Amino acid sequence: GENVEQHPSTLSVQEGDSAVIKCTYSDSASNYFPWYKQELGKGPQLIIDIRSNVGEKKDQRIAVTLNKTAKHFSLHITETQPEDSAVYFCAANAGGTSYGKLTFGQGTILTVHP
Amino acid sequence: NAGVTQTPKFRILKIGQSMTLQCTQDMNHNYMYWYRQDPGMGLKLIYYSVGAGITDKGEVPNGYNVSRSTTEDFPLRLELAAPSQTSVYFCASSRGLGNNSPLHFGNGTRLTVT
Repeated sequence: GENVEQHPSTLSVQEGDSAVIKCTYSDSASNYFPWYKQELGKGPQLIIDIRSNVGEKKDQRIAVTLNKTAKHFSLHITETQPEDSAVYFCAANAGGTSYGKLTFGQGTILTVHP
Repeated sequence: NAGVTQTPKFRILKIGQSMTLQCTQDMNHNYMYWYRQDPGMGLKLIYYSVGAGITDKGEVPNGYNVSRSTTEDFPLRLELAAPSQTSVYFCASSRGLGNNSPLHFGNGTRLTVT
């Protein structure tokens, strides 16, 4: 089945700096890669996603890049703010007969210091 | 819309007790899921359902049961609670199973088994 590895497990930055979180996946048939943000005491919430027919997608201060050849994708947050502090999860769908079910990475705790 | 609602928010069980975690959604989504979240492990899929009357096992189904008698409700049953089931449980729903259907999560149930 699909295996998703996420790094780093914790990331600490100063307000205004950029943050980058990286994920690798194993299933070459995967074609959907969402990112979720989880605030304390809440469930994960989708912040951005990318499909395999594009290499990069941006939404204001966040962007995601995808390298299908190397099977890795990354989340980039620019001009970080304290409210960006949260746990971030990457995920990939499983291709073939398991199409659609998501496998999640281990999560990254992002702390933005004012 | 309330989205995905989970009850209870917290629960402490003794070993061997049973309980049902409730989940309901008001978005008329066909697909519903149960995930468990353990520290540093991301989210693991327990069971999922593609519609009323249809359920299937995910990655970690042992020790759990589900039912889906209506589109709105997807309860998770623990029959003989074990310490290994101490976790945070998230219910989610989606319109479809493909890459155009993001997951909508509830706020979780924190379960401790002692």
